[in-house]
Amino acid sequence: DAGVIQSPRHEVTEMGQEVTLRCKPISGHNSLFWYRQTMMRGLELLIYFNNNVPIDDSGMPEDRFSAKMPNASFSTLKIQPSEPRDSAVYFCASSGTGGPTGELFFGEGSRLTVL
Amino acid sequence: SQQGEEDPQALSIQEGENATMNCSYKTSINNLQWYRQNSGRGLVHLILIRSNEREKHSGRLRVTLDTSKKSSSLLITASRAADTASYFCATKMNSGYSTLTFGKGTMLLVSP
Repeated sequence: DAGVIQSPRHEVTEMGQEVTLRCKPISGHNSLFWYRQTMMRGLELLIYFNNNVPIDDSGMPEDRFSAKMPNASFSTLKIQPSEPRDSAVYFCASSGTGGPTGELFFGEGSRLTVL
Repeated sequence: SQQGEEDPQALSIQEGENATMNCSYKTSINNLQWYRQNSGRGLVHLILIRSNEREKHSGRLRVTLDTSKKSSSLLITASRAADTASYFCATKMNSGYSTLTFGKGTMLLVSP
């Protein structure tokens, strides 16, 4: 299996621009998570999907952030407009039958820098 | 809010030595997991221990869980330079619905 695939691996953009991060979970996994990692705040859960349906989006910082999962093999995290404080590494993770309490499989992350 | 807190924040040892990292948490848990993150990479799951378990082993890894003290420890025996990474504990709380909450990690440096 190819594992969780994220793109782009690195993104540098200017404040105010739209950023779209993409994720392909492991085939057959029905839970998908978006996390954000910074030195100051560590790893924070942004949103959790189960069977393509958003279950918990309480970690989404504000309306500038949105996430979609149109099908079982693709999810996006969009930031519009982006701000310098959004600079972080964004991880997508998926999980199989263990659901939100089972083992998570992480992608390699998307490092976002907003200038 | 941070549920699990790792201690120490950083640990530096020589190859062949054992490394012990600790995790403390605040509320009762369903399970606790340990993950490793190499620099610039994603997190990799190491081991899961359930609240009714006290100890688990996986290769050179040994995890203990003390629910009365709300703490867990990860022991890496006979460490290797390749063990250099950050190690995170993640907890699944026992109260209602919740997902995994990660601590800020312990950065382990193993010198040859």
